[in-house]
Amino acid sequence: QSVLTQPPSVSAAPGQKVSISCSGSSSNIGYNSVSWYQQVPGTAPKFLIYDNNKRPSGIPRRFSGSKSGTSATLVITGLQTGDEADYYCATWDSSVSAGVFGGGTRVTVL
Amino acid sequence: QVTLRESGPALVRPRQTLTLTCTFSGFSLGTSGMSLHWIRQPPGRALEWLARIDWNDDKYYITSLETRLTISKDSSTNQVVLTLTDVDFVDTATYYCARVGHPAYFYFEYWGQGAPVTVTS
Repeated sequence: QSVLTQPPSVSAAPGQKVSISCSGSSSNIGYNSVSWYQQVPGTAPKFLIYDNNKRPSGIPRRFSGSKSGTSATLVITGLQTGDEADYYCATWDSSVSAGVFGGGTRVTVL
Repeated sequence: QVTLRESGPALVRPRQTLTLTCTFSGFSLGTSGMSLHWIRQPPGRALEWLARIDWNDDKYYITSLETRLTISKDSSTNQVVLTLTDVDFVDTATYYCARVGHPAYFYFEYWGQGAPVTVTS
């Protein structure tokens, strides 16, 4: 049971948009910034978003993040077949002084 | 260029101690604000944060495993070691080390390729 709650799966057709939610509490998302990761099965995670909504260089603008209160959202627009992967949110939980991840969301391009 | 590489045994017996080493290059763990983390992923399951060691030797552990985990660093060899005592079948996972990006934010910018570990009798 992960500390942060994500939907197990989302799907959409190519070119469409998907939103992945990440729900936490006042001690984690409510207090600290959120990051997002993409993981193709069998490979190491790749970081997509930091500080809730900042993209590192090389990450397409199709990927965007936001945070409101104790929840965060990753949005992927213009969905491509190469976006099929598992996506994870993460943050620091100040009440237990530990990192926490979401349970992961599988994105399927129909 | 930042690189991280995990190493350790692929197979471990139940009740033994697992020792994993993260060898890194391209940065100094002595830089103010720097930290290195261990994260694991059981087969087909989600990522799980395990431990963190900071530039000043502060250490943090996941609550559920903190009596069994130890993280340490050797700045002279650019290595961080994670030990997990009394392993069980549920500790079967791929273990990753990861480095944070900007010290003002909590995120894992660099990852190793992962070290698969199977606990088997």
